Amino acid sequence: DTGVSQDPRHKITKRGQNVTFRCDPISEHNRLYWYRQTLGQGPEFLTYFQNEAQLEKSRLLSDRFSAERPKGSFSTLEIQRTEQGDSAMYLCASSLVGLAGGSSYNEQFFGPGTRLTVL
Amino acid sequence: GENVEQHPSTLSVQEGDSAVIKCTYSDSASNYFPWYKQELGKGPQLIIDIRSNVGEKKDQRIAVTLNKTAKHFSLHITETQPEDSAVYFCAPGGGYNKLIFGAGTRLAVHP
Repeated sequence: DTGVSQDPRHKITKRGQNVTFRCDPISEHNRLYWYRQTLGQGPEFLTYFQNEAQLEKSRLLSDRFSAERPKGSFSTLEIQRTEQGDSAMYLCASSLVGLAGGSSYNEQFFGPGTRLTVL
Repeated sequence: GENVEQHPSTLSVQEGDSAVIKCTYSDSASNYFPWYKQELGKGPQLIIDIRSNVGEKKDQRIAVTLNKTAKHFSLHITETQPEDSAVYFCAPGGGYNKLIFGAGTRLAVHP
């Protein structure tokens, strides 16, 4: 399977605990995005990486959230001191953007998501 | 920031009928207009997209039309089938950056 994969698919945790999610993008995709989706809503942008550089962070990404992409391949999203309001589906997407800016537009391919439930 | 609205929020059709979902956006800099389909328990799947220099694009039973002057684009599904039942999202963007998703349209196709 050459699609975007995410692990775990489901996570149940107690309020105050730390959790970490992993995303493996499509091989050779240089951009990796994290989105959050709550029930009945569309995905909301959190942050994105171009290779290992984190280029943009949403205001939704409080200081309890941190994301890394250390080698420009897989990425992790950590939430510290989880709150009930963090319960959501966390989606990862990847895309290939040409360095010259003249190649394909930003076709983002999504993984299956990690559903987080904070009790 | 970008404001994206989808209409209708729910749509119910009989199998074989057509379905149309409209998306309006506010950012005149948007130049990439995709539609995603999301089935229960899965991530969104890109089904069709259009660039700002094109007015219409068709792929079998699915088409997207763009009116950049009026800042809206629409998804057209013809000859609907039960497997088309899902939530559909528009996500206009600046081409190389983040996507701003609408709230979604729940489509139900009844046999």
